[in-house]
Amino acid sequence: ETGVTQTPRHLVMGMTNKKSLKCEQHLGHNAMYWYKQSAKKPLELMFVYSLEERVENNSVPSRFSPECPNSSHLFLHLHTLQPEDSALYLCASSQSQGSTEAFFGQGTRLTVV
Amino acid sequence: KNEVEQSPQNLTAQEGEFITINCSYSVGISALHWLQQHPGGGIVSLFMLSSGKKKHGRLIATINIQEKHSSLHITASHPRDSAVYICAPRKGAQKLVFGQGTRLTINP
Repeated sequence: ETGVTQTPRHLVMGMTNKKSLKCEQHLGHNAMYWYKQSAKKPLELMFVYSLEERVENNSVPSRFSPECPNSSHLFLHLHTLQPEDSALYLCASSQSQGSTEAFFGQGTRLTVV
Repeated sequence: KNEVEQSPQNLTAQEGEFITINCSYSVGISALHWLQQHPGGGIVSLFMLSSGKKKHGRLIATINIQEKHSSLHITASHPRDSAVYICAPRKGAQKLVFGQGTRLTINP
């Protein structure tokens, strides 16, 4: 248990569906991250939020839309996804954007059918 | 060429064996992390180091900044050590880059 909780753990969705992934931390951290892990590929950073402001967006398609309503919660809204978007989506948090240690959630395994 | 290369990609060993996983990187870094990912997907940070060597229980991590190389060692390996181990150098102030991971299986 790292203190970062992701829900749901598993999600199957159709290409026309809209769904959201949720990440929650009560560690008092100010930075939160979304990562994507596809099969046989390294982790890819998608978004970084610091103090509820998006500070990094690594060329992620607009069908992925992050939201950070407060420093404890981070969402990833999904719509009109493609089968190649099927992956493990991991949330992480750290004390600040420049902190050396990040705490990861368990991930949401997403399957797009 | 990837910025981070791990070897081996897959490693199977018997319980009790000494395990070494290697990581080479090509970028300038401020620190390097070793992460452990269990089959369920969750990731745990094992070490963060910027020089020398760190030890935690049966795990030892070393780094040679000049040679841009780090190793993770596991002594007296156990089936519960079976996981994917990921090397993640930190570029600059905050950006982590990730290796592809080494899948370790320890058989009883």
